[in-house]
This record gives sequence, C-alpha cells and structure tokens, in this order.
Amino acid sequence: GQQLNQSPQSMFIQEGEDVSMNCTSSSIFNTWLWYKQDPGEGPVLLIALYKAGELTSNGRLTAQFGITRKDSFLNISASIPSDVGIYFCAGQRTGAGSYQLTFGKGTKLSVIP
Amino acid sequence: DVKVTQSSRYLVKRTGEKVFLECVQDMDHENMFWYRQDPGLGLRLIYFSYDVKMKEKGDIPEGYSVSREKKERFSLILESASTNQTSMYLCASSVGQGFGAFFGQGTRLTVV
Repeated sequence: GQQLNQSPQSMFIQEGEDVSMNCTSSSIFNTWLWYKQDPGEGPVLLIALYKAGELTSNGRLTAQFGITRKDSFLNISASIPSDVGIYFCAGQRTGAGSYQLTFGKGTKLSVIP
Repeated sequence: DVKVTQSSRYLVKRTGEKVFLECVQDMDHENMFWYRQDPGLGLRLIYFSYDVKMKEKGDIPEGYSVSREKKERFSLILESASTNQTSMYLCASSVGQGFGAFFGQGTRLTVV
C-alpha cells in the first residue's frame, strides 16, 4: 500500500530548540493526523486537521494542513526531554472505501538536555 | 477519553501455535483496525472492519484472520504462528470516515 513521505527520518536537537517535520503525498487527503509514539507503546493522536490551509495548535505543537491537500507540517516549540519519541503523520480520505489511514514512516526525535 | 485496550502487552508463542490477539474499544466506534509495526517498515494494515461481522483485507493479510462478533471487540488470529510474525501488533478504532483513529497500547508478540 501507499506510504507518505515523512522527513526527516531522525533529529537530534538541544532542549529548548524548535522542531519542524513534514509529510508529503502524491495524492490528496481530506484529513491529516499527527501521532506520537513512545517506546513500547501505541501511537497517541496529537492533532487532527480537517480542512486545507487549517492551522491547529495543541500546547507547544502546531500543525498545518497544506493548501494543496498533499502535505502537512508539524512544529514543536521550545522542546523538552519528554518530547522524545517517534512522530507519525497519517492521511485519510473520505468517500467509499476510505476507512484506511496511510502512514508516514515516522520521525525519531531525540532531545539533548 | 477513547479507550482501546489490547488484551496482552507481551506474548511469547511457539511456531505452529494458533494465537489470538484481542482488542476492545469503549466508544461505540464503527471501524476497527489491526496493524503490525516493524522497524524500517512502519505501520502496515493487516485487516479492518467497518461493521459487526464485516471485514476487509489490508495490505498484508496473509497468515492472519479476524473476527468481529460484537461492535466493541475485534480479534486478530494467527492460524499457525511463524517466526516472521514476530512483531508489534497495534489495534485501532475510529468513529467514521475522516476522523482519524485511536490506538491501543500494542502487543509485542514473539514467536519462537
């Protein structure tokens, strides 16, 4: 099945720095989602985006739904050690047979205190 | 809060055994999913169900089957476990089209 192109694959940053990651697709999605996964746990939904151009925040996290509907961005401001984990983007369509999510391969974030 | 609960965090099974992974959600969601997650391969969809007794194959259904007899419960069955099915298995549920999905805590299965 299709997968999204997520970059970067990994990041090492200093505590307090801002972080940006993005996801691109060759096809359009109606919903973009961002998840965080801690080691040995399931992914946790951070932000859901439903409209092209939408900018949504959740605390220090901000995500945007690209205007072309083929991309999305996640920014984390003033990173802290508990931000460590793997961040996944996911796209979802609507319409017949559109139950599935398509995932990126993840961005592994390491925060150096 | 949505709760998706998987019956086991860790399982160790022998090659050839029949293995059942259970998942329960408490939010009356129509859709439920089973994924496996492997390093370098990301999350891959095994099966999903959009209604009781309904199921659809995902990207990698070979060697697996599923059962959904009640709306809240979705079971993944490994008919004859093999070592290449050693993986992290994730169950998820969603309320409908376009609203994302909520995941359980995962089951780390090791087949020896």
